[in-house]
Amino acid sequence: NAGVTQTPKFQVLKTGQSMTLQCAQDMNHEYMSWYRQDPGMGLRLIHYSVGAGITDQGEVPNGYNVSRSTTEDFPLRLLSAAPSQTSVYFCASSYTGTQYFGPGTRLTVL
Amino acid sequence: KNEVEQSPQNLTAQEGEFITINCSYSVGISALHWLQQHPGGGIVSLFMLSSGKKKHGRLIATINIQEKHSSLHITASHPRDSAVYICAPRDDKIIFGKGTRLHILP
Repeated sequence: NAGVTQTPKFQVLKTGQSMTLQCAQDMNHEYMSWYRQDPGMGLRLIHYSVGAGITDQGEVPNGYNVSRSTTEDFPLRLLSAAPSQTSVYFCASSYTGTQYFGPGTRLTVL
Repeated sequence: KNEVEQSPQNLTAQEGEFITINCSYSVGISALHWLQQHPGGGIVSLFMLSSGKKKHGRLIATINIQEKHSSLHITASHPRDSAVYICAPRDDKIIFGKGTRLHILP
């Protein structure tokens, strides 16, 4: 099993550009989530999904959209990137509470 | 006030020392996670516990639900244990501490 995969690993955007961070898992986990990690702060939940077709907002959802058309995939969309979205983004999937994290995407918005 | 407090924030120790990292939280929880973030950035789940104690190799995690406190212990520490350790209590949502940066010197 590949576990949780994320692409790209690094990305630089200009303010106002849009992009999609990809996340996929092959463990058939129902629960998936997106976090951002900023210096000096703990991981913060952006959006999460408890199964295909179901998504909900986390602590810091503004500026981000998600969808969950399949169990495997949970993409995170930035509609109009802002410098405040410069961060490291982690996707995770969960089964019976244990979280499995992807390797992260380091995003810089200029 | 932060809902999750970890101490110490930074810890440097010699190889072989016994390490303790503490986590206090102010919310009611159903479980608590301990995570390890490697210097390269990857995050690994170490433990999920809701009571008592769990042990995996040289790592031991304890929790006292009444006192809202958990500890992570590392016995016979090794330089490869150098990482950031994150406490994350969970009820209907999961809240992450800011982490404890551990550096083990050879």
